[in-house]
Amino acid sequence: AQTVTQSQPEMSVQEAETVTLSCTYDTSESDYYLFWYKQPPSRQMILVIRQEAYKQQNATENRFSVNFQKAAKSFSLKISDSQLGDAAMYFCAYRGTIAGTASKLTFGTGTRLQVTL
Amino acid sequence: DGGITQSPKYLFRKEGQNVTLSCEQNLNHDAMYWYRQDPGQGLRLIYYSQIVNDFQKGDIAEGYSVSREKKESFPLTVTSAQKNPTAFYLCASISGAEGANVLTFGAGSRLTVL
Repeated sequence: AQTVTQSQPEMSVQEAETVTLSCTYDTSESDYYLFWYKQPPSRQMILVIRQEAYKQQNATENRFSVNFQKAAKSFSLKISDSQLGDAAMYFCAYRGTIAGTASKLTFGTGTRLQVTL
Repeated sequence: DGGITQSPKYLFRKEGQNVTLSCEQNLNHDAMYWYRQDPGQGLRLIYYSQIVNDFQKGDIAEGYSVSREKKESFPLTVTSAQKNPTAFYLCASISGAEGANVLTFGAGSRLTVL
């Protein structure tokens, strides 16, 4: 079964600084999708960024970028120029492409990011 | 605007009672999901449905039931058999079962057992 591990329960970053959130996963599939979701205090889940495993180029969305290391099964999220509004829970998620794994997302346990002045 | 509506936002239940959480989407999405969120455990899949009149158990289906009689509706019933039902419940949908289509989430329902 696919598993997603986020080893940092909490992280803190100063405003305008850069922070990296870690995520590792376990899978036997060669093609799959990875996601980072943000859950602010409102608890609404918001997609931050996604990565297709067949793409070697790391995904980027404005201040958010990923470091995708397929061989190491690592998918970290880098937040540059951190803002107070970035404070939230961040979840890493995996979606496979074969029957059984393509139908659902598997989530990590989350990292709570605090942004300080 | 299209989206997912979950109701009620907050729900209190006495032990031994069944409760039903509503999830409605107007996105014309095929697949719908129910996740449970507990502190420190992330999101765990309860049930999912890829088409009308069909659904599959997720990782923690015991004590829950669902139905999918209409494409836009996927209600979740928390039965008295669920031993620890106090949690935050999230409904989500996606346009297709394959590909990198993004899961769209509702705002969630907080269930508290008194």
